[in-house]
Amino acid sequence: GNSVTQMEGPVTLSEEAFLTINCTYTATGYPSLFWYVQYPGEGLQLLLKATKADDKGSNKGFEATYRKETTSFHLEKGSVQVSDSAVYFCALRGGNNRLAFGKGNQVVVIP
Amino acid sequence: NAGVTQTPKFQVLKTGQSMTLQCAQDMNHEYMSWYRQDPGMGLRLIHYSVGAGITDQGEVPNGYNVSRSTTEDFPLRLLSAAPSQTSVYFCASSYAPGPRAGTEAFFGQGTRLTVV
Repeated sequence: GNSVTQMEGPVTLSEEAFLTINCTYTATGYPSLFWYVQYPGEGLQLLLKATKADDKGSNKGFEATYRKETTSFHLEKGSVQVSDSAVYFCALRGGNNRLAFGKGNQVVVIP
Repeated sequence: NAGVTQTPKFQVLKTGQSMTLQCAQDMNHEYMSWYRQDPGMGLRLIHYSVGAGITDQGEVPNGYNVSRSTTEDFPLRLLSAAPSQTSVYFCASSYAPGPRAGTEAFFGQGTRLTVV
């Protein structure tokens, strides 16, 4: 079945540092890929998405590229702010039309 | 535009009690689903519906019932609450998805449920 794997553990970094969160997936066919963000006490919000190989999704300074050859969709941001502190979820929607989520990564940005 | 509305936001139940978590959306979305979020587990799909009158089970359906009598509403029922059902519950909705459509799911604010 479809599955998403995110790197283990929380990520703590200083303001203006470079952020990378790894995401790899297993799916049949051609899934759509998503990154969702969850701020404290809130529901999930779509951060960015990509629907086919080599597509780059971007929003609020975050980027992720759909790499079919490595089945990856890593999230990056060049200079994080304290306001980027949140939980980030990688997800895919495959041929069964159901969303599959990774376990999420807590990101803490220290001033 | 209200989006997806969940009620209540917080609830404490005693073991064996029943309750219904409400979910309503005003975007005329065909597809609705319920997830539970637990530490270190991400989001797991409980039940989903592809339209009024149609529901199906997700990964963790045991102990939960759903119905979809209207496009707007998708309540989740706990028949006999257990401590293992302590979790944060999210309802989501979207247009009927297609694999290449990149269809976005919209989430409610969540219901934090504690079963003692």
